[in-house]
Amino acid sequence: QVQLVQSGSELRKPGASVKISCKASGYTFRNYPLSWVRQAPGQGLEWMGWIDTNTGDPIFAQAFTGRFVFSLDTSVNTAYLLINTLKAEDTAVYYCARVYDSESTLDSWGQGTLVTVSP
Amino acid sequence: SYVLTQPPSVSVAPGMTARITCGGTNIETMSVHWYQQLPGQAPVLVISYDTDRPSGIPERFSGSNSGNTATLIITGVEAGDEADYYCEVWDGTTNHVVFGGGTKLTVL
Repeated sequence: QVQLVQSGSELRKPGASVKISCKASGYTFRNYPLSWVRQAPGQGLEWMGWIDTNTGDPIFAQAFTGRFVFSLDTSVNTAYLLINTLKAEDTAVYYCARVYDSESTLDSWGQGTLVTVSP
Repeated sequence: SYVLTQPPSVSVAPGMTARITCGGTNIETMSVHWYQQLPGQAPVLVISYDTDRPSGIPERFSGSNSGNTATLIITGVEAGDEADYYCEVWDGTTNHVVFGGGTKLTVL
């Protein structure tokens, strides 16, 4: 079955960086893009962008340009989210989700990774 | 950019029908997906393409889309349906995903 397993919670100080992983299994990794979604505490879902797992090309939502990097290691079916120069407002749960089709049906989600940014 | 508007909360008694709306300009021309997020858990797709129910989702969950409003319908609501629900579309003009603000369903 399709499964996305994310790395564990992270605690960082402001200005630091964090890299989250999302390991896929149960399907052909390169056939489906992966989206990243942020959920701040008590808030709704916010689409960050996605990465084409075939080409490695990323697309970012406007609010997530600059400090955010999407990458892949296709040899281990894993996608990564790197956040640089962390701010307190980056404190959130970050989800990866498989993009099933061209209408962006997010049919399978990782369990989420909590990133806490605190002095 | 395209905006999806959901009511912050909907309350319904057990066994009754819950209707959660998602408003957007000419939303009927778009494919709407719905996600359920139980407390402390990751979202789960419950309806895709306005009305399609993924495998494993109870028949109590259905959807509609007409004019400027898409609706998630949950019949025979159970205590376990208490969750946040989000609508989502793909905005082809910007090639971006758009989520609604989410609706908290409370089972009285």
